[in-house]
Amino acid sequence: GEDVEQSLFLSVREGDSSVINCTYTDSSSTYLYWYKQEPGAGLQLLTYIFSNMDMKQDQRLTVLLNKKDKHLSLRIADTQTGDSAIYFCAETPNSGGYQKVTFGTGTKLQVIP
Amino acid sequence: SQTIHQWPATLVQPVGSPLSLECTVEGTSNPNLYWYRQAAGRGLQLLFYSVGIGQISSEVPQNLSASRPQDRQFILSSKKLLLSDSGFYLCAWSGGEGMALHFGNGTRLTVT
Repeated sequence: GEDVEQSLFLSVREGDSSVINCTYTDSSSTYLYWYKQEPGAGLQLLTYIFSNMDMKQDQRLTVLLNKKDKHLSLRIADTQTGDSAIYFCAETPNSGGYQKVTFGTGTKLQVIP
Repeated sequence: SQTIHQWPATLVQPVGSPLSLECTVEGTSNPNLYWYRQAAGRGLQLLFYSVGIGQISSEVPQNLSASRPQDRQFILSSKKLLLSDSGFYLCAWSGGEGMALHFGNGTRLTVT
């Protein structure tokens, strides 16, 4: 089946940039997503990118997609302590209807004050 | 705007007791609905999805069942809970921009 891989942990200092990486195997991915999960809460959609895009920027968040290498990254500029959470990468080959979404196992981001 | 409500937030139930978790979505019609279970705060496992009223698809064989009695209501049930049913259950709907999944706040179920 399809697979999405992420490193388990990342530690950064407050004010620095964080880069969370993700690789996936599905060559037919249509949409790729980044979710944030705080302790005890559900997953919050942060941003998504369509597969025909290379980059998407939304305030402090920058998503880069290298479709050739099947590599997705999320850059958080000026990382704050409130950014501490688990970040999930996800992808789907679907463009409508039931969404068969494959999630990574999440990267726990620790922000050191 | 669309919102999703899931309750209860936490639940402690004895082994062998029944279960009913409820999820409702507002602000959209005919959403695709999903139940996920998250183990150990990480991996997400799709349990059920529904593309319409009364239409339920199961992804994994288990002790749980799902029902969709109304367009925007999704219920996760069990007749007799097992210890292994403990976990964090998440309801979600999909649609809108990017066809993304949008999750509720989850239910922490502890079976004792």
